[in-house]
Amino acid sequence: DTGVSQDPRHKITKRGQNVTFRCDPISEHNRLYWYRQTLGQGPEFLTYFQNEAQLEKSRLLSDRFSAERPKGSFSTLEIQRTEQGDSAMYLCASSLQVNTEAFFGQGTRLTVV
Amino acid sequence: TQLLEQSPQFLSIQEGENLTVYCNSSSVFSSLQWYRQEPGEGPVLLVTVVTGGEVKKLKRLTFQFGDARKDSSLHITAAQPGDTGLYLCAGAVPPSNTGKLIFGQGTTLQVKP
Repeated sequence: DTGVSQDPRHKITKRGQNVTFRCDPISEHNRLYWYRQTLGQGPEFLTYFQNEAQLEKSRLLSDRFSAERPKGSFSTLEIQRTEQGDSAMYLCASSLQVNTEAFFGQGTRLTVV
Repeated sequence: TQLLEQSPQFLSIQEGENLTVYCNSSSVFSSLQWYRQEPGEGPVLLVTVVTGGEVKKLKRLTFQFGDARKDSSLHITAAQPGDTGLYLCAGAVPPSNTGKLIFGQGTTLQVKP
C-alpha cells in the first residue's frame, strides 16, 4: 500500500496523559499536513511541513501540541496533558510541492475520558 | 477569515434521484478539491478544479468551479446507495504555494434503496 498511513487508528486515554500519533506520508511527497476534525465538521488545519521544516502552525495548535518531522519522512504529533476537548479525529495528509492535491490517511480517532 | 459554506448540510434522497451540493465563499481560491469521507475514515480525493468555469465529470458526478473561483458545485445523477457519505469541499488558500486547505463543514448524503 503506497498511501498515507497513520498509527494508531484509535486511541483512548485518560485526561492528563500524553499521547503521540505517527504519520507516514506517500514516499515522494515532501509536504505533510496535520488536520483535526470534530464530529459534524470539516477538517481544520493544524500545521504543515515542507521536508523537515515546520512552516506554519494554526492558532488551534496550543503549546500542549507539538509536531515533528525529523528526517523529512514520517511525522509525529504529540499532545501533552490531554483534555476532553482534544477528543477528535486527527488526520494527516501529504502532497507534492508543485501542486496542492492532498491525500489523506485514515486518521487517528482520539477519545479523552 | 476565509470560509467555505456548504449547502445543504444534510440530504436524504431515494435511489435514482439527482442532487446538487453547493460550496460558496466570498474569497477567491487557487483551486478547489472535493472529497468524500466515510465514517471513521479519512477523506478520499474525488477531483481538483483549478480554472474558473471548469467542469469535470467522474462517472455520475459532475463538478463545476465558478467563473470567479469563489464557488463550486457537485451534481450527482441517479444517486445510488453507494454514494452515501460525507462530501467535503476544500479550497487552496492563495498564494497556493503552501497547499493549506480550508474545508467546508460538509454535506452528509444518505441515499435510500
